[in-house]
Amino acid sequence: AQSVTQPDARVTVSEGASLQLRCKYSSSVTPYLFWYVQYPRQGLQLLLKYYSGDPVVQGVNGFEAEFSKSNSSFHLRKASVHWSDSAVYFCAVSNNAGAKLTFGGGTRLTVRP
Amino acid sequence: EAAVTQSPRNKVAVTGGKVTLSCNQTNNHNNMYWYRQDTGHGLRLIHYSYGAGSTEKGDIPDGYKASRPSQENFSLILELATPSQTSVYFCASGDGGASAETLYFGSGTRLTVL
Repeated sequence: AQSVTQPDARVTVSEGASLQLRCKYSSSVTPYLFWYVQYPRQGLQLLLKYYSGDPVVQGVNGFEAEFSKSNSSFHLRKASVHWSDSAVYFCAVSNNAGAKLTFGGGTRLTVRP
Repeated sequence: EAAVTQSPRNKVAVTGGKVTLSCNQTNNHNNMYWYRQDTGHGLRLIHYSYGAGSTEKGDIPDGYKASRPSQENFSLILELATPSQTSVYFCASGDGGASAETLYFGSGTRLTVL
């Protein structure tokens, strides 16, 4: 069984500030981890994914995430946010045993100008 | 041009009525998925398909059927719609990557069952 928890339903930051969105996962086997973003009135788009190697993965638009096996976490970070980063961010997990993606509940990010 | 297209964009149905949500993809992906999105639940998998003629049950298949008549098309069918099926439905195609498949989503269908 696998699951994902995003403990923060809403996050508000000021433009130019740094950002961390939290994600905790549970998986009985090696996890594959993803962050997707949903802009208003659109479908989800992949930001980045991790499946092996360097625990810090780079994504689009300056986002990165760090895999921590000891903490069962895959937090998303950005050094300086822009107002256009306002969106809903979803963490998701699958595994190498063929399990389909399981999504967290999402974090709605609002960036104040 | 969008590679995954859903129709209709919005739908209002009556309880007990039949609803068909359509999805077309031009990615030539074998895998296709139907999810529903509800506040606080994220996306939950309803049905998926590995190719034309194949459909598989996801995590919440009750009350839904799926049809994959071709590589490009994947439909979700609600034979007897209920108000609890009011939601936003997303279709996606998957690139079937051996490591960490990436999904490509449509823009969603907002379904309201009265």
